[in-house]
Amino acid sequence: GQQLNQSPQSMFIQEGEDVSMNCTSSSIFNTWLWYKQEPGEGPVLLIALYKAGELTSNGRLTAQFGITRKDSFLNISASIPSDVGIYFCAGSLNAGGTSYGKLTFGQGTILTVHP
Amino acid sequence: EAGVAQSPRYKIIEKRQSVAFWCNPISGHATLYWYQQILGQGPKLLIQFQNNGVVDDSQLPKDRFSAERLKGVDSTLKIQPAKLEDSAVYLCASSLALRQGETQYFGPGTRLLVL
Repeated sequence: GQQLNQSPQSMFIQEGEDVSMNCTSSSIFNTWLWYKQEPGEGPVLLIALYKAGELTSNGRLTAQFGITRKDSFLNISASIPSDVGIYFCAGSLNAGGTSYGKLTFGQGTILTVHP
Repeated sequence: EAGVAQSPRYKIIEKRQSVAFWCNPISGHATLYWYQQILGQGPKLLIQFQNNGVVDDSQLPKDRFSAERLKGVDSTLKIQPAKLEDSAVYLCASSLALRQGETQYFGPGTRLLVL
């Protein structure tokens, strides 16, 4: 089945630093999503990407849908302590019919921000 | 607007016992999902409902897991009998409809520990 490899597995950074993480797939997706999960909570959608090559920003977050449709990147600029959490990429084929809504998640990147 | 509600938040049982989880999606959301999130991994889709019908349950271990959404609103997920490897967080999510671009909103999850 489809697998997503997310890297790095964890990051320890100082407040104010920029962060980059990426996700690669063994197969093509036509939707890439980035979620953040905080302790004791469910994942919350940060950014959604629907077109190869698309670059989308949400405040200090920027994500890109890779040209090959097999990868995606998330950047966080000027990190702050509240950025702490686990960041997940997720891909979906969304090719119609019952494929809509089927998300395959990466393993997550644990982000720690030191004040 | 109220989010996805789940109960209980925590459950500890012994192996071979039965357990049930409840989910109340966001009002008006036709699509409901159950995910299993094992510690250190991303969520894995177990079953997907559209109103009261099952869209996909290909990853549901049907010998011990069952789920229903009888009236197309609330849903229950049951495990009978539980195994040690079922220890995980069970996340419920809902979306307005089954189409590309629909955001899945996650509940806080039920944390299950099987001893």
